[in-house]
Amino acid sequence: NAGVTQTPKFQVLKTGQSMTLQCAQDMNHEYMSWYRQDPGMGLRLIHYSVGAGITDQGEVPNGYNVSRSTTEDFPLRLLSAAPSQTSVYFCASRNPTVNTEAFFGQGTRLTVV
Amino acid sequence: AQTVTQSQPEMSVQEAETVTLSCTYDTSESNYYLFWYKQPPSRQMILVIRQEAYKQQNATENRFSVNFQKAAKSFSLKISDSQLGDTAMYFCAFMKLFNNAGNMLTFGGGTRLMVKP
Repeated sequence: NAGVTQTPKFQVLKTGQSMTLQCAQDMNHEYMSWYRQDPGMGLRLIHYSVGAGITDQGEVPNGYNVSRSTTEDFPLRLLSAAPSQTSVYFCASRNPTVNTEAFFGQGTRLTVV
Repeated sequence: AQTVTQSQPEMSVQEAETVTLSCTYDTSESNYYLFWYKQPPSRQMILVIRQEAYKQQNATENRFSVNFQKAAKSFSLKISDSQLGDTAMYFCAFMKLFNNAGNMLTFGGGTRLMVKP
C-alpha cells in the first residue's frame, strides 16, 4: 500500500517557468489537499478538494491551480514560477467518514531561481 | 478563522528527560480536533497524538501525552523519557468539524526539538 505519492521529490525552476507537482493516493480518500511549508510559518493550505470535480481555495492560493478529475490524483500547477514560491510542498489525503487522520506525501522541495 | 501559535521555535532536552512543547490556539468553534505532528529530517509528517475537543480526558500515546485546557485554548505536548529518535520538528494543528470546507488543518509555526545524548 503506497499511501500518498508525490513526484518529483526535488525540483529547480527558473522564474517564469511552469510545472506540475503530482500527487496520487491509493486509499480511495475523498479529501485531498496541498500545503506549503515555509520556515517559521508551519504548513499553510493552498488548495483542497472534497471529491472528484470539486476544488476550492485555501489560505494561500495565488499562483497555483488545481484540478481533481479522479479520486486518486490531485495535481498542483504553478503557472509562472516566482522566487516566492520556493518552498516545500506537501500533499495530504483523508477519508472523512473513517477517521480524522490526514496522510501526507513525502513532500517536494521546490527552488525557484 | 483559526490561528495556532507555537511560542517556542527551538528546544533541547537531554536524553531520558521530559520536555513539554507549548501550543495555543484561537477559535470560536466548539467542535474540533487538535493534533501534534512530528517531522523528522526525512521530511515525513507523522501523526503523534490527537485530542477531541469534547473529551475532557487528556490523550496519551506511550511516551507522549497532552495537557488540553479547553477554556484556556492550550494544547501542550509532553514527551517523557526522551529518545534520540524524538529529534524532529513538531507541529501543533487544529481541525474544525462539521463544516463544508473539507475540515482542513491549520498548523502552528513549529518547534524544533533536539534531544541530546
